[in-house]
Amino acid sequence: GAGVSQTPSNKVTEKGKYVELRCDPISGHTALYWYRQSLGQGPEFLIYFQGTGAADDSGLPNDRFFAVRPEGSVSTLKIQRTERGDSAVYLCASSFGTGFFEASPLHFGNGTRLTVT
Amino acid sequence: SQQGEEDPQALSIQEGENATMNCSYKTSINNLQWYRQNSGRGLVHLILIRSNEREKHSGRLRVTLDTSKKSSSLLITASRAADTASYFCAALEGAGSYQLTFGKGTKLSVIP
Repeated sequence: GAGVSQTPSNKVTEKGKYVELRCDPISGHTALYWYRQSLGQGPEFLIYFQGTGAADDSGLPNDRFFAVRPEGSVSTLKIQRTERGDSAVYLCASSFGTGFFEASPLHFGNGTRLTVT
Repeated sequence: SQQGEEDPQALSIQEGENATMNCSYKTSINNLQWYRQNSGRGLVHLILIRSNEREKHSGRLRVTLDTSKKSSSLLITASRAADTASYFCAALEGAGSYQLTFGKGTKLSVIP
């Protein structure tokens, strides 16, 4: 079956521009996560959705970052006034979430490599 | 902050040998998961071990968990060139948690 799909796979933008990164989770997965991965590092948590609502956005680095999931499926990560330090691979993952989260492995997309010049 | 810390950072072995990677974490956990990442790709879930389990097997993979030492290890037996990848442990903190915290990973190279 289809896995988690992320578009675009690569995005090059100039400093100060606005970007949107899209994630299509696995059908039926209610939980959706965004992570950011810098070179040589592990994924760093950004935000978690259960359904349509952002249950935890504590990982977003500042108010330039925002994410939505209006219909409980597709999610968009939005970055305003991009900075060179935002350059990284942005990973999306989904899973079967429950009200009491328990032991559900994450299914990751291949990520969007964002380069801010 | 990163919950899991893998050791070693890099490991190079000959095909057929066993590879052992270790992970330490800081707080109490609900479960600990291991993931694999090929270059330029997303992470793939390998195995999950709950806090009340001590050992788990899946094919050529063996995971142990020592909650008293806050550590886990991943053993890959009879390694193959195709096992070359980065391996990450990820800790799920206590009850009701949903946030997986990843370590920096171990880069495994299996030489044919």
